[in-house]
Amino acid sequence: KQEVTQIPAALSVPEGENLVLNCSFTDSAIYNLQWFRQDPGKGLTSLLLIQSSQREQTSGRLNASLDKSSGRSTLYIAASQPGDSATYLCAVSRSGGYQKVTFGTGTKLQVIP
Amino acid sequence: EAGVVQSPRYKIIEKKQPVAFWCNPISGHNTLYWYLQNLGQGPELLIRYENEEAVDDSQLPKDRFSAERLKGVDSTLKIQPAELGDSAVYLCASSLHRDLPYNEQFFGPGTRLTVL
Repeated sequence: KQEVTQIPAALSVPEGENLVLNCSFTDSAIYNLQWFRQDPGKGLTSLLLIQSSQREQTSGRLNASLDKSSGRSTLYIAASQPGDSATYLCAVSRSGGYQKVTFGTGTKLQVIP
Repeated sequence: EAGVVQSPRYKIIEKKQPVAFWCNPISGHNTLYWYLQNLGQGPELLIRYENEEAVDDSQLPKDRFSAERLKGVDSTLKIQPAELGDSAVYLCASSLHRDLPYNEQFFGPGTRLTVL
C-alpha cells in the first residue's frame, strides 16, 4: 500500500525566504506526482505535475523535483510571499492500469510579512 | 472555461438526516472522482467514474453512501442516514481521460458538511 508523508506538517517563514517542502512515498512504482495548493475552505489547485520519466518541473517561483529511487519529491518556493500562505499537498499516482492517487497530509505554510 | 462546479458549498444537517452533493466536471472530462477530506488530512478517494461507469468504489461505505453519474456528465453523492463522523469536506475532481500518459486532476471547491 502506498503511503505518502509530508514533513514538516507546518512551517512559518519570514517573507522573502526561500523554502523547501518535502514529500516521501513508499512505493517507487509511480506514474506521476502532483503538487497542489489548498487555501482555507477551498478546493485544491494544481501547481505542478511531474511525470515519472521527468526529474523536475518549474512554474514561476516554484520548482518541483522527483527522485523515484529514493521515494522523494521536493517543492522549492523562491522568494516567498504572504500570498503563498496555504496548505501544500503532494499526490502520487501509481503506475500501471488505473492510476489510483494517494495524497499526503500536507504542509501548512505561513509566510509572515 | 469553467472549472469543476460543486453545490452546495456548505451544508449543516442533524444526524440521521439525508444529504446530497452535486458536481459538474470540466466539460469533456470523462473521469470524475469523489473524495472525502477530514480536517488536517489529505483527500481520500470514495469513488471514481469513467463516463457513467463506477470503476472504483472500493472505499465507498455502501451501507449509507451512494453515488450516480447517469449521463456520464454531472454526478450526485448521497449519504443516508448521515452520522456525526461524516462531518468533512467532500471534494469532486475530474480529469480528461484515464488513458492519457498523465492523469492531472482538477478539483472543485468542495462541500463542507457538518452533522450535528
